[in-house]
Amino acid sequence: DVKVTQSSRYLVKRTGEKVFLECVQDMDHENMFWYRQDPGLGLRLIYFSYDVKMKEKGDIPEGYSVSREKKERFSLILESASTNQTSMYLCASSLQDRVAGYTFGSGTRLTVV
Amino acid sequence: QKEVEQDPGPLSVPEGAIVSLNCTYSNSAFQYFMWYRQYSRKGPELLMYTYSSGNKEDGRFTAQVDKSSKYISLFIRDSQPSDSATYLCAMSADAAGNKLTFGGGTRVLVKP
Repeated sequence: DVKVTQSSRYLVKRTGEKVFLECVQDMDHENMFWYRQDPGLGLRLIYFSYDVKMKEKGDIPEGYSVSREKKERFSLILESASTNQTSMYLCASSLQDRVAGYTFGSGTRLTVV
Repeated sequence: QKEVEQDPGPLSVPEGAIVSLNCTYSNSAFQYFMWYRQYSRKGPELLMYTYSSGNKEDGRFTAQVDKSSKYISLFIRDSQPSDSATYLCAMSADAAGNKLTFGGGTRVLVKP
């Protein structure tokens, strides 16, 4: 069963901590994405990557960075966590030019206290 | 104003009823339209995909796109308790799919 795996289901971190969210896909997809999901706001794109070591900013990149050293792994980094980054974080992957081919992970619920 | 508007619900219906969901959008460049279903504590999964205007049917699900009105709909016939979930619309202006714009999601509850 092909899938996108996010390393943690729940995380609690303190303000100012550096936080790493990990995502691994086993489908050999070129594209990988990080979204955050907040009530009433839907999914908002933070960053995406279309190839190893390549990245593009999404709609809300401020306070975040990403790393893609291997095709199957895409990491989201919160450089200095703040309470307004408390959210559900969803990773997704897709083949190139497959607008309807996203596969999502189950999400990481991050709470920053 | 959001680029894609979707009523958050919750929408509560009895089992067997037709569920009607919709989204409105402002960007006339959108031409790829999707509906995702998200169960509690899970990631979204693709339910329906439509290119440009028209209707598409898949089992109990029908997706409609009216580009002239900037309005898309999803209908679920003979609804089941297992259809209880949050439904998100998503749209894109290009086939590369590097930037989907999502609605806020509508929570649906189908009561037995």
